[in-house]
Amino acid sequence: GAVVSQHPSWVICKSGTSVKIECRSLDFQATTMFWYRQFPKQSLMLMATSNEGSKATYEQGVEKDKFLINHASLTLSTLTVTSAHPEDSSFYICSARDFAVFTEAFFGQGTRLTVV
Amino acid sequence: AQSVTQLDSHVSVSEGTPVLLRCNYSSSYSPSLFWYVQHPNKGLQLLLKYTSAATLVKGINGFEAEFKKSETSFHLTKPSAHMSDAAEYFCVVTRGGSYIPTFGRGTSLIVHP
Repeated sequence: GAVVSQHPSWVICKSGTSVKIECRSLDFQATTMFWYRQFPKQSLMLMATSNEGSKATYEQGVEKDKFLINHASLTLSTLTVTSAHPEDSSFYICSARDFAVFTEAFFGQGTRLTVV
Repeated sequence: AQSVTQLDSHVSVSEGTPVLLRCNYSSSYSPSLFWYVQHPNKGLQLLLKYTSAATLVKGINGFEAEFKKSETSFHLTKPSAHMSDAAEYFCVVTRGGSYIPTFGRGTSLIVHP
């Protein structure tokens, strides 16, 4: 089956620093990737949708300058949390869509970010 | 607009008894519907999906769901709960022509010995 690899699985960083999370589709080409954020005991909230080679589309209320998304190739998208603060601590999950299986998206394992 | 409502935030069952997790959806288009499971501090695993084929969908680990258009429902069932089924379950609908997955709030399944 299609596999999406997300790295790192967990990261601890200091306030004010930036953290990059990678999302790779290992055995398919992902024309579209989605980034979600999950607060403890809550559902996944869509942050942004990224299409390969174009700018990401952010959901309302998501700061595009804080959460930088790059989707430079058909197999890689990155989310960079800039100038991280403790309130950015959360579980971030990426999802990739295989254009050959149009209605299904595949999810990464998630990244637990803790900002201290 | 697409939306999905999971009617129960928590469901508690005894091991060996049936499981029912409820999901209702609204969609302007013919929807695709999914159930995912998330174990603590883990990513998401697809249990099953409906994409306009058979209305009764069988998934992994003995789970199944039935798409009922007249009731706009896609409830998840399992005949006999196992302790390892304890997890968070999400019902997901793809959003219109863009196929963006939209999540329900999740249902926490608790299984008692």
